[in-house]
Amino acid sequence: DTGVSQDPRHKITKRGQNVTFRCDPISEHNRLYWYRQTLGQGPEFLTYFQNEAQLEKSRLLSDRFSAERPKGSFSTLEIQRTEQGDSAMYLCASSAGTNSIGELFFGEGSRLTVL
Amino acid sequence: RKEVEQDPGPFNVPEGATVAFNCTYSNSASQSFFWYRQDCRKEPKLLMSVYSSGNEDGRFTAQLNRASQYISLLIRDSKLSDSATYLCVVSDYKLSFGAGTTVTVRA
Repeated sequence: DTGVSQDPRHKITKRGQNVTFRCDPISEHNRLYWYRQTLGQGPEFLTYFQNEAQLEKSRLLSDRFSAERPKGSFSTLEIQRTEQGDSAMYLCASSAGTNSIGELFFGEGSRLTVL
Repeated sequence: RKEVEQDPGPFNVPEGATVAFNCTYSNSASQSFFWYRQDCRKEPKLLMSVYSSGNEDGRFTAQLNRASQYISLLIRDSKLSDSATYLCVVSDYKLSFGAGTTVTVRA
């Protein structure tokens, strides 16, 4: 399978714990995006990377969220001191290109439930 | 104001019907426009790009009005398999998604 893969697919955690999600993009794609989606809403932009550089981070993203993409390959999204409001589907997507955005290819997502 | 606003629906239509819906966007500097489709509990997937001159892909027709900042999608001869949420998407360096329009096609 050469699509975008995310791990874990499901995570249940207690409030206050830290969680980390991993995304492996399509290998030749240089752009990688993280989105968050809650029920009844469209995906909400969190951050994106071009190669290993994090170029934009949403104002909605608190300091408890951090993302990395070492070596411009896979990416991790860490949430520290989770809160119940963090419960959502976290979607990773990748795309090729440097200027305008082409098609985004999404992974199946990592569903987080904070108890 | 949200960047992309859509009529959430739901649109409940019989097979064979035509259904159309719009979205509006706030950023006049948006460069590219898309419709994505999302099935229940699945990831979004590109349905079609939207070009200024309007474009068709089979039973689907998309229109863009830059002056009024709205995008439309029309589905002709609806099939049961068209039941999904349709996400209106605009982009500059990132894709901004609307909340989606839910379409249910009934037999």
